[in-house]
Amino acid sequence: QVQLVESGGGLVKPGGSLRLSCAASGFSFSDFYMTWIRQAPGKGLEWLSYISSGGHTKHYADSVKGRLTISRDNAKNSLYLEINNLRVEDTAVYYCARGGTGSSDWFLFHWGQGILVTVSS
Amino acid sequence: SYELTQPQSVSVAPGKTATITCGGNKIGSKSVHWYKQRPGQAPVLVLYYNKDRPSGIPERFSGSNFGNTATLTISRVEAGDEADYYCQVWDSSSDHPRVVFGGGTKLTVL
Repeated sequence: QVQLVESGGGLVKPGGSLRLSCAASGFSFSDFYMTWIRQAPGKGLEWLSYISSGGHTKHYADSVKGRLTISRDNAKNSLYLEINNLRVEDTAVYYCARGGTGSSDWFLFHWGQGILVTVSS
Repeated sequence: SYELTQPQSVSVAPGKTATITCGGNKIGSKSVHWYKQRPGQAPVLVLYYNKDRPSGIPERFSGSNFGNTATLTISRVEAGDEADYYCQVWDSSSDHPRVVFGGGTKLTVL
């Protein structure tokens, strides 16, 4: 069955950097767009970024553009999200989710369990 | 940028029908997907392409999408339906297509 497992979260000081990973299994990873979504404590879902199946197309939410870098390694069935210049307001649970095989209009059927990132001094 | 508007909360008695709306400019021209999220858990897809149900989602969950409002309807509400519900669309109106979520609606079963 499809599994998405995030890792790399934890406590980080403001201004620091973090690299989240998402290990995928149970499907042909290289065929699917992948995306990152986060949820601040007590808040709603916020889409952050997605990457095309081959890794050549990447888009970011305006709120985080310039501080986030999404990448993937199809040989390792892994998705990554690097976050730089972390701010207190980046504190959230970060989810990876599987998109579709096409370039648009997909839904998110498979989600990881989420990983907590806490930004605090 | 495209925005989706949901009511913050909806309350319904067990056995009754809950209606959760998702407003957006000409949302009827888009495909709307709905997610259910219980506290401490990842979201679960309950409807896709406005009204289709993934395997395992009860027929009590239905959806519609016309004009400026998409609607998630839960019939014969049960205690287990209590959760936050989010609508989602794909916004391709700019050079940078993106995923858009509504702010979420907390469904309380009285």
